[in-house]
Amino acid sequence: DAKTTQPTSMDCAEGRAANLPCNHSTISGNEYVYWYRQIHSQGPQYIIHGLKNNETNEMASLIITEDRKSSTLILPHATLRDTAVYYCIVRDGGSNYKLTFGKGTLLTVNP
Amino acid sequence: NAGVTQTPKFQVLKTGQSMTLQCAQDMNHEYMSWYRQDPGMGLRLIHYSVGAGITDQGEVPNGYNVSRSTTEDFPLRLLSAAPSQTSVYFCASRPPGTGFGNTIYFGEGSWLTVV
Repeated sequence: DAKTTQPTSMDCAEGRAANLPCNHSTISGNEYVYWYRQIHSQGPQYIIHGLKNNETNEMASLIITEDRKSSTLILPHATLRDTAVYYCIVRDGGSNYKLTFGKGTLLTVNP
Repeated sequence: NAGVTQTPKFQVLKTGQSMTLQCAQDMNHEYMSWYRQDPGMGLRLIHYSVGAGITDQGEVPNGYNVSRSTTEDFPLRLLSAAPSQTSVYFCASRPPGTGFGNTIYFGEGSWLTVV
Protein backbone atom coordinates (compact mmCIF):
# COMPACT_ATOMS: atom_id res chain seq x y z
CA ASP A 1 0.00 0.00 0.00
CA ALA A 2 1.16 3.52 -0.79
CA LYS A 3 2.56 5.67 1.97
CA THR A 4 0.77 8.83 3.10
CA THR A 5 1.98 12.07 4.64
CA GLN A 6 -0.18 14.16 6.94
CA PRO A 7 0.50 17.14 9.20
CA THR A 8 0.98 16.18 12.80
CA SER A 9 -1.65 18.53 14.14
CA MET A 10 -4.19 21.17 13.14
CA ASP A 11 -6.57 23.50 14.89
CA CYS A 12 -10.00 24.61 13.80
CA ALA A 13 -12.61 26.93 15.29
CA GLU A 14 -15.96 25.40 16.14
CA GLY A 15 -18.48 25.91 13.35
CA ARG A 16 -15.83 26.48 10.71
CA ALA A 17 -14.77 24.04 8.02
CA ALA A 18 -11.85 21.79 8.83
CA ASN A 19 -9.66 20.93 5.86
CA LEU A 20 -7.27 18.07 6.46
CA PRO A 21 -4.65 17.45 3.76
CA CYS A 22 -2.98 14.20 2.82
CA ASN A 23 -0.18 13.51 0.35
CA HIS A 24 0.00 10.12 -1.34
CA SER A 25 2.31 10.71 -4.28
CA THR A 26 3.06 7.01 -4.84
CA ILE A 27 -0.57 5.93 -5.07
CA SER A 28 -1.27 3.38 -7.76
CA GLY A 29 -4.22 3.20 -10.07
CA ASN A 30 -6.19 0.60 -8.13
CA GLU A 31 -5.71 2.11 -4.69
CA TYR A 32 -8.48 3.91 -2.88
CA VAL A 33 -8.06 6.78 -0.45
CA TYR A 34 -9.70 6.06 2.91
CA TRP A 35 -10.18 8.32 5.89
CA TYR A 36 -10.70 7.10 9.42
CA ARG A 37 -10.70 8.95 12.69
CA GLN A 38 -10.04 7.91 16.23
CA ILE A 39 -11.58 9.81 19.07
CA HIS A 40 -9.66 9.42 22.31
CA SER A 41 -10.02 5.95 23.83
CA GLN A 42 -12.31 4.70 21.07
CA GLY A 43 -11.89 2.40 18.09
CA PRO A 44 -11.15 3.89 14.67
CA GLN A 45 -14.25 5.09 12.87
CA TYR A 46 -14.70 5.01 9.13
CA ILE A 47 -15.42 8.42 7.58
CA ILE A 48 -15.26 8.26 3.80
CA HIS A 49 -13.33 6.86 0.88
CA GLY A 50 -12.86 7.47 -2.84
CA LEU A 51 -10.93 6.45 -5.92
CA LYS A 52 -10.93 9.32 -8.40
CA ASN A 53 -14.02 11.43 -8.00
CA ASN A 54 -14.86 13.70 -5.13
CA GLU A 55 -17.13 12.08 -2.59
CA THR A 56 -19.56 13.40 0.01
CA ASN A 57 -21.51 11.72 2.76
CA GLU A 58 -23.24 12.79 5.93
CA MET A 59 -19.97 13.16 7.78
CA ALA A 60 -17.54 14.75 5.34
CA SER A 61 -16.39 15.49 1.82
CA LEU A 62 -13.33 14.06 0.15
CA ILE A 63 -11.55 16.02 -2.56
CA ILE A 64 -8.99 14.08 -4.61
CA THR A 65 -6.70 15.95 -6.98
CA GLU A 66 -6.81 15.05 -10.63
CA ASP A 67 -3.40 13.37 -10.51
CA ARG A 68 -4.53 11.54 -7.32
CA LYS A 69 -1.32 12.42 -5.53
CA SER A 70 -3.08 14.27 -2.76
CA SER A 71 -6.47 14.64 -1.15
CA THR A 72 -8.31 16.76 1.37
CA LEU A 73 -10.89 15.72 3.91
CA ILE A 74 -13.40 18.44 4.64
CA LEU A 75 -15.56 18.56 7.75
CA PRO A 76 -17.94 21.36 6.76
CA HIS A 77 -18.98 22.57 10.20
CA ALA A 78 -16.59 21.25 12.81
CA THR A 79 -17.86 20.62 16.33
CA LEU A 80 -16.01 19.94 19.55
CA ARG A 81 -16.85 16.26 19.13
CA ASP A 82 -14.81 16.19 15.92
CA THR A 83 -11.62 16.55 17.94
CA ALA A 84 -9.75 13.35 17.06
CA VAL A 85 -6.80 11.86 15.22
CA TYR A 86 -7.59 11.60 11.51
CA TYR A 87 -5.91 8.93 9.45
CA CYS A 88 -5.50 9.03 5.68
CA ILE A 89 -4.90 5.55 4.27
CA VAL A 90 -4.47 4.32 0.73
CA ARG A 91 -5.02 0.71 -0.13
CA ASP A 92 -6.18 -1.64 -2.78
CA GLY A 93 -9.95 -1.53 -2.53
CA GLY A 94 -10.40 -5.26 -2.69
CA SER A 95 -7.22 -6.94 -1.73
CA ASN A 96 -6.98 -7.30 1.91
CA TYR A 97 -7.82 -7.16 5.52
CA LYS A 98 -5.06 -4.81 6.44
CA LEU A 99 -5.04 -1.08 6.96
CA THR A 100 -1.66 0.55 7.44
CA PHE A 101 -2.12 3.36 9.91
CA GLY A 102 0.42 6.13 10.16
CA LYS A 103 0.40 8.66 12.98
CA GLY A 104 -2.38 10.74 11.45
CA THR A 105 -3.35 14.36 12.14
CA LEU A 106 -4.59 15.44 15.54
CA LEU A 107 -7.43 17.85 14.82
CA THR A 108 -8.37 20.03 17.76
CA VAL A 109 -11.62 21.92 17.43
CA ASN A 110 -11.61 24.97 19.68
CA PRO A 111 -14.70 26.73 21.08
CA ASN B 1 -26.96 -5.25 14.97
CA ALA B 2 -24.19 -4.81 17.53
CA GLY B 3 -21.29 -4.52 15.05
CA VAL B 4 -17.92 -5.63 16.41
CA THR B 5 -17.96 -6.49 20.11
CA GLN B 6 -14.85 -6.95 22.21
CA THR B 7 -14.51 -8.28 25.73
CA PRO B 8 -13.13 -7.55 28.23
CA LYS B 9 -12.73 -3.81 27.93
CA PHE B 10 -10.08 -3.65 30.66
CA GLN B 11 -7.77 -6.35 32.01
CA VAL B 12 -4.71 -6.46 34.22
CA LEU B 13 -2.47 -9.51 33.97
CA LYS B 14 0.63 -10.67 35.75
CA THR B 15 3.69 -11.55 33.72
CA GLY B 16 3.45 -15.14 32.56
CA GLN B 17 -0.31 -15.42 32.79
CA SER B 18 -2.38 -16.35 29.78
CA MET B 19 -5.71 -14.94 28.69
CA THR B 20 -8.06 -14.63 25.75
CA LEU B 21 -9.48 -11.45 24.28
CA GLN B 22 -12.85 -12.13 22.73
CA CYS B 23 -14.14 -10.61 19.50
CA ALA B 24 -17.51 -11.20 17.90
CA GLN B 25 -19.29 -9.64 14.95
CA ASP B 26 -22.86 -10.04 13.83
CA MET B 27 -22.49 -8.68 10.28
CA ASN B 28 -21.55 -12.02 8.67
CA HIS B 29 -18.17 -10.62 7.70
CA GLU B 30 -15.63 -13.05 6.34
CA TYR B 31 -12.56 -11.03 7.19
CA MET B 32 -11.54 -10.39 10.78
CA SER B 33 -8.32 -9.10 12.27
CA TRP B 34 -6.61 -8.00 15.46
CA TYR B 35 -4.53 -4.84 15.86
CA ARG B 36 -2.62 -3.41 18.75
CA GLN B 37 -2.03 0.26 19.39
CA ASP B 38 0.73 1.53 21.61
CA PRO B 39 0.78 5.09 22.98
CA GLY B 40 1.32 7.71 20.30
CA MET B 41 1.49 5.16 17.54
CA GLY B 42 -0.70 3.86 14.79
CA LEU B 43 -2.31 0.44 14.74
CA ARG B 44 -0.23 -2.63 13.97
CA LEU B 45 -1.71 -5.85 12.63
CA ILE B 46 -1.25 -8.93 14.81
CA HIS B 47 -3.24 -11.71 13.10
CA TYR B 48 -6.03 -11.89 10.59
CA SER B 49 -8.51 -14.36 9.17
CA VAL B 50 -10.17 -14.49 5.77
CA GLY B 51 -12.80 -16.98 6.84
CA ALA B 52 -13.66 -19.77 9.25
CA GLY B 53 -10.76 -22.19 9.62
CA ILE B 54 -8.24 -19.82 7.99
CA THR B 55 -5.82 -17.57 9.88
CA ASP B 56 -2.52 -15.90 9.12
CA GLN B 57 0.08 -13.69 10.75
CA GLY B 58 0.30 -9.93 10.50
CA GLU B 59 3.16 -7.61 11.38
CA VAL B 60 3.57 -8.44 15.07
CA PRO B 61 2.30 -11.99 15.70
CA ASN B 62 4.81 -13.18 18.29
CA GLY B 63 3.28 -14.05 21.64
CA TYR B 64 -0.25 -14.30 20.27
CA ASN B 65 -2.40 -17.11 18.91
CA VAL B 66 -5.71 -16.98 17.09
CA SER B 67 -8.32 -19.40 15.83
CA ARG B 68 -11.45 -18.99 13.73
CA SER B 69 -13.91 -21.82 14.29
CA THR B 70 -16.96 -19.75 13.33
CA THR B 71 -17.61 -16.75 11.09
CA GLU B 72 -18.74 -14.71 14.07
CA ASP B 73 -15.87 -15.16 16.53
CA PHE B 74 -12.14 -14.46 16.39
CA PRO B 75 -10.48 -14.77 19.81
CA LEU B 76 -6.92 -13.58 20.47
CA ARG B 77 -4.88 -15.57 22.97
CA LEU B 78 -1.91 -14.31 24.89
CA LEU B 79 0.13 -17.39 25.69
CA SER B 80 2.44 -16.02 28.40
CA ALA B 81 1.85 -12.33 28.98
CA ALA B 82 4.82 -9.95 28.98
CA PRO B 83 4.95 -6.24 29.91
CA SER B 84 5.69 -5.49 26.24
CA GLN B 85 2.18 -6.65 25.47
CA THR B 86 0.67 -3.82 27.47
CA SER B 87 -1.39 -2.10 24.83
CA VAL B 88 -4.84 -1.37 23.48
CA TYR B 89 -6.17 -4.13 21.27
CA PHE B 90 -8.68 -3.60 18.50
CA CYS B 91 -10.62 -6.21 16.63
CA ALA B 92 -11.84 -5.38 13.14
CA SER B 93 -13.98 -6.99 10.46
CA ARG B 94 -14.98 -6.32 6.88
CA PRO B 95 -17.23 -7.97 4.33
CA PRO B 96 -15.75 -10.09 1.55
CA GLY B 97 -15.46 -9.01 -2.03
CA THR B 98 -13.74 -6.21 -3.78
CA GLY B 99 -14.17 -2.63 -4.71
CA PHE B 100 -15.99 0.34 -3.45
CA GLY B 101 -17.65 0.28 -0.11
CA ASN B 102 -15.42 -2.38 1.35
CA THR B 103 -15.16 -0.75 4.72
CA ILE B 104 -13.41 -2.11 7.78
CA TYR B 105 -15.27 -1.81 11.06
CA PHE B 106 -13.53 -1.67 14.43
CA GLY B 107 -14.52 -2.67 17.92
CA GLU B 108 -14.19 -0.30 20.85
CA GLY B 109 -10.92 -1.73 22.10
CA SER B 110 -9.58 -3.82 24.97
CA TRP B 111 -7.12 -2.16 27.35
CA LEU B 112 -4.57 -4.68 28.59
CA THR B 113 -1.94 -4.00 31.24
CA VAL B 114 0.72 -6.60 32.06
CA VAL B 115 2.53 -6.05 35.33
